[in-house]
Formats: sequence, C-alpha cells, structure tokens
Amino acid sequence: QVQLVQSGAEVKKPGASVKVSCKASGYTFTSYDINWVRQATGQGLEWMGWMNPNSGNTGYAQKFQGRVTMTRNTSISTAYMELSSLRSEDTAVYYCARGRYLVDYWGQGTLVTVSS
Amino acid sequence: EIVLTQSPGTLSLSPGERATLSCRASQSVSSSYLAWYQQKPGQAPRLLIYGASSRATGIPDRFSGSGSGTDFTLTISRLEPEDFAVYYCQQYGSPFGGGTKVEIK
Repeated sequence: QVQLVQSGAEVKKPGASVKVSCKASGYTFTSYDINWVRQATGQGLEWMGWMNPNSGNTGYAQKFQGRVTMTRNTSISTAYMELSSLRSEDTAVYYCARGRYLVDYWGQGTLVTVSS
Repeated sequence: EIVLTQSPGTLSLSPGERATLSCRASQSVSSSYLAWYQQKPGQAPRLLIYGASSRATGIPDRFSGSGSGTDFTLTISRLEPEDFAVYYCQQYGSPFGGGTKVEIK
C-alpha cells in the first residue's frame, strides 16, 4: 500500500532553517510528484510547491520562492523540504503528498514550531 | 499564479439537505487538473473529486462535481453526519482555495 512517512516534530528559533523528510513506499517513487502543503492551526491549506522526483524539477508557490528548497534522494525514495529564515508565522503542520494531476496520498504531517 | 476563491466561507445546513459549494478561478483552468478535497479536524485532507467531475475511489455518489473554465461546483446531494467538514478546491500545481466549512445547523 502507498505510504508517505514524514520525519518527526521540530522546534526551531526564528531565523533558522528546517528540513522535513518524506519517505515513500508502496509505489515507484519517480513516477509521481511530491507536493508540500502546510496548515497553521485553524487555518486553510497552503500549497508550497511540487517536485518531480525523476527529473528533480520543482515549482514553488510565489509566496515561498527564495525561501523553500525541495530535493530528493531516489536511492532511498525520500523527498525533502527545507524552509529557511523561519519566523513565527511558519509554525504549522507540514504535509508531503503524492501527486500527478491530483493529490491522492498524504503523509501524516510534521509539526514545525518556530519560537524563541 | 491562479487564485481560487471559494464561497461561501461557511455553510450551515441540516443532515439530509443539499450542499452547493462554489470555486471560482482568477483565470481559466483546465478541468483535468481541478480537484476537491475534504478535511476533518486532526486529519489530512482526502481526495473527493478529480478532473472536476470524477469521483475518487470509495467516494459515495452523493458527492458530485461540475463546471469548467473559471467556475466549478461541488454538490453534496444529501448531507450525512460524516460530511460536515471543510472542503477545498485546487488546480494541481497551484494554491488551494480558502475553503468552505460545512457545519451543522
């Protein structure tokens, strides 16, 4: 069965960076995009961008361009999302999700807390 | 970047009633890439509708999607207790709409 397993919760100070991992199993990792979506408490879904694990090509939401980097390691079927220059507003649950024209499987989410 | 505007923000209905949710795009979008998602508290979103009108696996037929161009609609024909949730539209590779909360009246 398709599974996306994310790394554990993180606590970071303002100005720092965070890197969240997403390990895929149950399908061919390079055949589907990986999207990253975040959600602050009580807020809506915020799409951050996508990555094609086969080519490494990425597409980022305008809001995050210059601050987000999506990468992968195909040998271990793992995608990564790194967000830099963290501020308190970046406190949220971060999800990875499999996609190709639609998003069908989601990771369990990773809580990132930004606090001094 | 395409902006999706969902309305209403909140829909207060009773079980058994019909729910009609709107998703309007700032520019024409391909129906092939328009999807609807349901999210309940503490859970990841779930795919309901893809390609604007195709139900995802396991989704009951009381859920239907329609529309093209810039105007799309999600309809729940008769609300069941488990349908009270937040619904989002998205064109793949673009930001989600702001969501519509369907709450019990």
